[in-house]
Amino acid sequence: EPEVTQTPSHQVTQMGQEVILRCVPISNHLYFYWYRQILGQKVEFLVSFYNNEISEKSEIFDDQFSVERPDGSNFTLKIRSTKLEDSAMYFCASSGGRGRPDNEQFFGPGTRLTVL
Amino acid sequence: AQSVTQLDSHVSVSEGTPVLLRCNYSSSYSPSLFWYVQHPNKGLQLLLKYTSAATLVKGINGFEAEFKKSETSFHLTKPSAHMSDAAEYFCVVRTNTLTSGTYKYIFGTGTRLKVLA
Repeated sequence: EPEVTQTPSHQVTQMGQEVILRCVPISNHLYFYWYRQILGQKVEFLVSFYNNEISEKSEIFDDQFSVERPDGSNFTLKIRSTKLEDSAMYFCASSGGRGRPDNEQFFGPGTRLTVL
Repeated sequence: AQSVTQLDSHVSVSEGTPVLLRCNYSSSYSPSLFWYVQHPNKGLQLLLKYTSAATLVKGINGFEAEFKKSETSFHLTKPSAHMSDAAEYFCVVRTNTLTSGTYKYIFGTGTRLKVLA
């Protein structure tokens, strides 16, 4: 069964460093998402992406964050200068064939980001 | 705006007894609702979904949920708990806005289910 994969599973970085979290969505999906879950809190929407541009972003997704689909298979989340409060589990999700953004979202296993 | 409220942060049941995890939603449209499960150090797995078809939805691992519009509820149930059901459960509502062309999920705060031997 196709699945969303994410790398790395765990990333440790120093405050102020840039990190790139990688995701490989399900191959025929066209809609991509990032969510995050701070330890002990609920999962929060960060951004959605379609047709090589951001469709929607939350207030969390400030100028320090960016997303990209560099090569037609990977979907990345970059945090330019990490802060302690960026420590969280980051989930990638994908959904939908062409014209079907309402299909359920499939989630990857997550990347745990620890900022020291 | 859509939202979901999970009424219990922790639920403990004995193995073999019924499970009830409560979720209430708020939506100005007919909502699409989901239950996801997260086992320790694992990702989010879809248990079941309601998308305006049958109000009683059956999912994986013996779970089911009933959409009750009059009560704005979507409670998750299972007749007999198993040790492997111990996990965090999230009720999710999907936004209905089409302006962006995509849909986002709004998660509840989660219910941690503990199953006692």
